[in-house]
Amino acid sequence: EDQVTQSPEALRLQEGESSSLNCSYTVSGLRGLFWYRQDPGKGPEFLFTLYSAGEEKEKERLKATLTKKESFLHITAPKPEDSATYLCAVQGPQAGTALIFGKGTTLSVSS
Amino acid sequence: DGGITQSPKYLFRKEGQNVTLSCEQNLNHDAMYWYRQDPGQGLRLIYYSQIVNDFQKGDIAEGYSVSREKKESFPLTVTSAQKNPTAFYLCASRRAGTNTGELFFGEGSRLTVL
Repeated sequence: EDQVTQSPEALRLQEGESSSLNCSYTVSGLRGLFWYRQDPGKGPEFLFTLYSAGEEKEKERLKATLTKKESFLHITAPKPEDSATYLCAVQGPQAGTALIFGKGTTLSVSS
Repeated sequence: DGGITQSPKYLFRKEGQNVTLSCEQNLNHDAMYWYRQDPGQGLRLIYYSQIVNDFQKGDIAEGYSVSREKKESFPLTVTSAQKNPTAFYLCASRRAGTNTGELFFGEGSRLTVL
């Protein structure tokens, strides 16, 4: 069964304290791994898509990486406005089917 | 601006009542999806549609129904058969025919059963 597990469930950081969020997955034939940001009471906002092991994508203080079993979302020198829930999702082998989501990591950054 | 519009944002329902959540998109996307989100849970798929007049059940379709009469619209009805309907409902869309295109989400509808 295809599965996505995110850790930790919650993470508290001081402003400027870098860290990483983990997304491990089990899927037969990965066609894409997605990272989203979700603010309270809002819909998820797309951040990155990774397609193959070794691929990396960056956006401001965020950097996503992918291996054959997991993905990391690295947050460098976070600011309070980076506080949100970060969701990881995978696309299985059948094109057009829905994404499978993990439960998310809730990040809190204090100044 | 292109996007996905969900309405209403908040909805209260008495037990035994059916309610319909609206989802409209002007992105010209073929595929549309409904997810449910509960506290501490990931997004769970209710129904999805890849083309007009066709849709498939997701992992938790029991107690829900959908229609896809127009490309732009994918309404979700929460029926009285749904045992625990209080949740945050998210509609999403994606271009069909793409290998792995990202989903675009609406702002969500929060349903509370009184």
